[in-house]
Amino acid sequence: EAQVTQNPRYLITVTGKKLTVTCSQNMNHEYMSWYRQDPGLGLRQIYYSMNVEVTDKGDVPEGYKVSRKEKRNFPLILESPSPNQTSLYFCASSPEGGILYNEQFFGPGTRLTVL
Amino acid sequence: ILNVEQSPQSLHVQEGDSTNFTCSFPSSNFYALHWYRWETAKSPEALFVMTLNGDEKKKGRISATLNTKEGYSYLYIKGSQPEDSATYLCAPLFNKFYFGSGTKLNVKP
Repeated sequence: EAQVTQNPRYLITVTGKKLTVTCSQNMNHEYMSWYRQDPGLGLRQIYYSMNVEVTDKGDVPEGYKVSRKEKRNFPLILESPSPNQTSLYFCASSPEGGILYNEQFFGPGTRLTVL
Repeated sequence: ILNVEQSPQSLHVQEGDSTNFTCSFPSSNFYALHWYRWETAKSPEALFVMTLNGDEKKKGRISATLNTKEGYSYLYIKGSQPEDSATYLCAPLFNKFYFGSGTKLNVKP
């Protein structure tokens, strides 16, 4: 089944404890992206990647890192999480041909709480 | 910070009513507009990808138009059904995506 998977789906952690949220897609998509969703706000883009080894900052990159060493995976790293990073996180991917013409496929979401 | 406005924020209609909502954004330097449907406890799913040629898009009872000159898009739902209840998100693409905060639609049977 073609899909975007994220792990973990739920995580409660403490301030300062490094964590990684994994994202994987099995559709051979070139474009991948991370978003966070907070109450009253739209989805805000954290980082995106146009292809392997090509990443760029979105609207709210502070406090996050990403890597794209292989096409299928795009992990989101929080080196030192803080309570203001408590949010619902979505990973998304888009096929070859680009986001100009193609939709994004979203993962199931990861709900992160930082105490 | 780029402002994408969706209106109304929420909408309550009866089954069978037709409805529409708006997405407004700066009209310069955007490349495409995406519409997504987001049901509670699920992930956003794409409805339409609208390019600068401005064609109307249609999928069943749902259609969308794009005004590239003035920077807005309309989403129309004809004969709303309870299963249409969801939050509808628009996302114009500039150098990156900027999502609106959505219009939450509730269709009562």
